Amino acid sequence: AQKITQTQPGMFVQEKEAVTLDCTYDTSDPSYGLFWYKQPSSGEMIFLIYQGSYDQQNATEGRYSLNFQKARKSANLVISASQLGDSAMYFCAMRESGSQGGSEKLVFGKGTKLTVNP
Amino acid sequence: NAGVTQTPKFRILKIGQSMTLQCTQDMNHNYMYWYRQDPGMGLKLIYYSVGAGITDKGEVPNGYNVSRSTTEDFPLRLELAAPSQTSVYFCASNLRSLGTEAFFGQGTRLTVV
Repeated sequence: AQKITQTQPGMFVQEKEAVTLDCTYDTSDPSYGLFWYKQPSSGEMIFLIYQGSYDQQNATEGRYSLNFQKARKSANLVISASQLGDSAMYFCAMRESGSQGGSEKLVFGKGTKLTVNP
Repeated sequence: NAGVTQTPKFRILKIGQSMTLQCTQDMNHNYMYWYRQDPGMGLKLIYYSVGAGITDKGEVPNGYNVSRSTTEDFPLRLELAAPSQTSVYFCASNLRSLGTEAFFGQGTRLTVV
């Protein structure tokens, strides 16, 4: 079963507007971490933001914020004031603590390709 | 700080050849991973390791082998290369602590012809 689901293969946004990239996850482990990575066309993986399952507040890092809805098992990435340089692939990922017998490995979704239009 | 270093960056193999992709990290990370990324797709986990001497299969382990004799190194071995193994391979590492991000190497672009 898919642990991480990203349902938007591609998204388009106008420069300076906000965009939300969806991510849902599946786990029975009460302790887990959610990550978002950016992969520009050059290919490197860039860490953006982290949300822990016990964090009371939504994570924020500059123009990135994570809309964490634990009951819905969703962890959507919000990019505010989009810039042309935000055009890239975005991946959601999860690590479980392994406390419920699961694995502590890091698994990724299939990604969303974001295009920012001028 | 070097971080995660992968070698080589590019390689062309003939069908049936073997090779080892090298990965080393200097951050004393317990966890190390190998992923493959096919064009336009996400990262699929091949193998991972939670410490020296401990390895486990990921989603797509067939055709690959790994070893972890030291904390720093996590080589990936391809035996009898096939065209289906044409991909970009990423090595990554992170600390055991759940809240720490994984650091990635620059990737190895492998073509099997």
